[in-house]
Amino acid sequence: GQQLNQSPQSMFIQEGEDVSMNCTSSSIFNTWLWYKQDPGEGPVLLIALYKAGELTSNGRLTAQFGITRKDSFLNISASIPSDVGIYFCAGPPDDKIIFGKGTRLHILP
Amino acid sequence: DTAVSQTPKYLVTQMGNDKSIKCEQNLGHDTMYWYKQDSKKFLKIMFSYNNKELIINETVPNRFSPKSPDKAHLNLHINSLELGDSAVYFCASSQLEGPPWTEAFFGQGTRLTVV
Repeated sequence: GQQLNQSPQSMFIQEGEDVSMNCTSSSIFNTWLWYKQDPGEGPVLLIALYKAGELTSNGRLTAQFGITRKDSFLNISASIPSDVGIYFCAGPPDDKIIFGKGTRLHILP
Repeated sequence: DTAVSQTPKYLVTQMGNDKSIKCEQNLGHDTMYWYKQDSKKFLKIMFSYNNKELIINETVPNRFSPKSPDKAHLNLHINSLELGDSAVYFCASSQLEGPPWTEAFFGQGTRLTVV
């Protein structure tokens, strides 16, 4: 079946650093979604992208829909402790939404 | 107002038992899902219902039976629970028949522990 390859799997950073993660698919997507999951909670949507080349920001988060329509990127600038969590990319091939395996963001004290 | 609510939040049960998890959404969406999140946090789709009809069944054992009495509800019944069923189960909903198409909104999850 279709897969989303998300990297990196984990990141350990210092507070204040910028973060980049990406996601690639084996087929073309018309929509890219980025979610964040805090411990004990369900995933919450951060950014939705609907057009190839689109660059969308949500506060310190910026996501881009790759021109090939097979990839997407998420950047977090000036990380803070509450950014800790798991970030998932997702997309809707057919009638379902599939998820990447997540990027676990850790902030070192 | 909770958009997608599922109950119970925690469920501990013995192997071989039958249990149900309930889900309701008040967003007016036409599509609801069940996802399973394993111990490595991988989110895997199990079922998708569109307007009460099953449209996706991702090779889930037939011990798992979803039921959608109306498009705002999607329940999950699990028979003969096994240790490997222990996971967090998430219900979600979205609007697939657009425009506008919307992203999936998730419930808080049900942590199922089979002992």
